Amino acid sequence: VQLVESGGGEVQPGRSLRLSCAASGFTFSFSSYGVHWVRQAPGKGLEWVAAISYDAINKYYADSVKGRFTISRDNSKNTLYLEMNSLRVEDTAVYYCAKEYAQGNDYGFDYWGQGTLVTVSS
Amino acid sequence: EIVMTQSPATLSVSPGERATLSCRASQSVSSNLAWYQQKPGQAPRLLVYSASTRATGIPARFSGSGSGTDFSLTISSLQSEDFAVYYCQQYNKWPPWTFGQGTKVEIK
Repeated sequence: VQLVESGGGEVQPGRSLRLSCAASGFTFSFSSYGVHWVRQAPGKGLEWVAAISYDAINKYYADSVKGRFTISRDNSKNTLYLEMNSLRVEDTAVYYCAKEYAQGNDYGFDYWGQGTLVTVSS
Repeated sequence: EIVMTQSPATLSVSPGERATLSCRASQSVSSNLAWYQQKPGQAPRLLVYSASTRATGIPARFSGSGSGTDFSLTISSLQSEDFAVYYCQQYNKWPPWTFGQGTKVEIK
């Protein structure tokens, strides 16, 4: 099972970037799971950023990115996206995609990608 | 938003000793709490969910307990590979899904 992020890099404040997360090797279809973006600023803890339901109908955002970031998915390509606009210096972080595990009341983020670094700097 | 507070920030433990990490929620999260382990340069790994259920492949030396607002993760006999940062996460009331700030378990 693999989640592989891509699209990170260095960008100036106010610019845009699009991250991708490609899933492979799952026993069941990628389209069966909710998926999330979680970020980690250098030397800091984990911050949840955005989530999307298995069918892409429901989307959720942290207040810190609402109105600037857009989460989406293409289940035909087993790929998750994060469109990041109006980037700020404080968005600098490693961005991880993470798959949900949800069985009844049991829940967690059971698979994570290796992360992609986004650096926002002038 | 539910705020998760972990203590201590750093825990110094000798190999083979027991380590107990704490996590407190600003309001009840029932048993809807997970623990993650993160080693330097790696992604987090799910250890425990539903406060006390070990995830697949997690050794029995890891145990979680608690409900409501107070939780703990115990590592019964620390191995060299257990020195890492540990995060708790609540999923009772979302969004947002919130993490604690982490506890670093270091070698004494």
